[in-house]
Amino acid sequence: QVQLQESGPGLVKPSQTLSLTCTVSGGSISSGGYYWSWIRQHPGKGLEWIGYIYYSGSTYYNPSLKSRVTISVDTSKNQFSLKLSSVTAADTAVYYCARMNTAMWGFDYWGQGTLVTVSS
Amino acid sequence: QSALTQPASVSGSPGQSITISCTGTSSDVGGYNYVSWYQQHPGKAPKLMIYEVSNRPSGVPDRFSGSKSGNTASLTISGLQAEDEADYYCSSYTSSSTPCVFGTGTKVTVL
Repeated sequence: QVQLQESGPGLVKPSQTLSLTCTVSGGSISSGGYYWSWIRQHPGKGLEWIGYIYYSGSTYYNPSLKSRVTISVDTSKNQFSLKLSSVTAADTAVYYCARMNTAMWGFDYWGQGTLVTVSS
Repeated sequence: QSALTQPASVSGSPGQSITISCTGTSSDVGGYNYVSWYQQHPGKAPKLMIYEVSNRPSGVPDRFSGSKSGNTASLTISGLQAEDEADYYCSSYTSSSTPCVFGTGTKVTVL
């Protein structure tokens, strides 16, 4: 059973960089056919796709965040990461990592989510 | 890329059927059979309920069904149960500047 687990600081100061890591267990991140994804949800709001990465390193980002987002993968640790720079209070949200299964074009496994608050 | 449009809320009594719509454009919902639906209970991660318009992952009850007509996809819950009370989101592949877009979300209430 594939499991994803987010980790990282729950509090980030304005203008700093938000950094999160997603550790994948029960399956190899190097398996083809999956995009490893970051999705966020502002408090009481809907889901917002941030971007995803293929194990080869190819990335796709939401244009609204593209200038501030970097997603990377570490196949040796079976992890992928999110960096969001120059954060403001508007970046306060629950951040989820998820696996996009291209065989079904759906996010079939999700992490539990982690709340990141941007505040001084 | 704008979010796909869903009704803010839908309600029904136990045993009834309800349908949630998800309206996009020919660049997303109407152009591809890559529509998926997610159920989210409060404080929990979303769960995949339907993929590729009408397919159910293993373990999802057959009370949940999906369809599409033109630029609008739909999720139908038949025989509504108390545990179906949750938020539901659609998602679609898009040919616009972003390959993935979510719907605005629908709160389902079981009366």
